[in-house]
Amino acid sequence: AQTVTQSQPEMSVQEAETVTLSCTYDTSESNYYLFWYKQPPSRQMILVIRQEAYKQQNATENRFSVNFQKAAKSFSLKISDSQLGDTAMYFCAFMNNNAGNMLTFGGGTRLMVKP
Amino acid sequence: GAVVSQHPSWVICKSGTSVKIECRSLDFQATTMFWYRQFPKQSLMLMATSNEGSKATYEQGVEKDKFLINHASLTLSTLTVTSAHPEDSSFYICSARAVQVTYNEQFFGPGTRLTVL
Repeated sequence: AQTVTQSQPEMSVQEAETVTLSCTYDTSESNYYLFWYKQPPSRQMILVIRQEAYKQQNATENRFSVNFQKAAKSFSLKISDSQLGDTAMYFCAFMNNNAGNMLTFGGGTRLMVKP
Repeated sequence: GAVVSQHPSWVICKSGTSVKIECRSLDFQATTMFWYRQFPKQSLMLMATSNEGSKATYEQGVEKDKFLINHASLTLSTLTVTSAHPEDSSFYICSARAVQVTYNEQFFGPGTRLTVL
C-alpha cells in the first residue's frame, strides 16, 4: 500500500513571495503519477500540477513547479509570486497506474497568503 | 470541459432516513467514478470505486450495505447513505475518470455536505 505524508499542517507566506510545500511518499511501484491539488474554501478540488514518475524533468505550470526526487520519494510544490487567491488547503496525491487509478492523498497543508 | 456535478450540494436529514447523492459527468463519459469522504480539516478518504455496469469496490472499513453505490450509466453514479446517523455527517466528494484519457486524471465534483440530525 502507498502512503503519502505532508509534514507541514500549516504554512503562511507573504504575498508575492515564494513558498515550498513538502510531500513524501512510500511505494514499491515504478509506474505512477503524482499530483498536487488545491482545495479553496469552496471545497472544490482543483488540479494544480501533475508529474509522471517516468519523467525526469520537473513539471511546471505558470507559478507552480515541483521538485520531484524519485530516489528520495519526495515531491515538493513551489509556489512563486504567491497571490491571495492561493490561500487554500493543498493535497499531495499518489496514483498507482497498476491499481485502478485510485488516488491516495496526503494529510494536507493549509496555506495562508498574507497581504 | 471535464465538468462533474453533484446533487444536492448540501442536505440535512433525520437520523434513520436514507439520503441519495448523485454524481454526474456533464461533458464526458466516465468509466470509473470514485467516492470520497472528508471530515472537517482532514484529507479525502476513498470510500469506494465504481465502474459502469458492475458492482462497486469498497475500501476496507467501509460498510457496503450502508453506503450503496450504483453506477448505472457512463455519466451517473449514485451514493445512498442508508439509515443515516449523526456520525455519517460529513462532506462527500465524487470524482470521475474519462473513458478516453491522454493522461491519468480524476475530475472532481463540488462535493455534498451531509448533516444528520
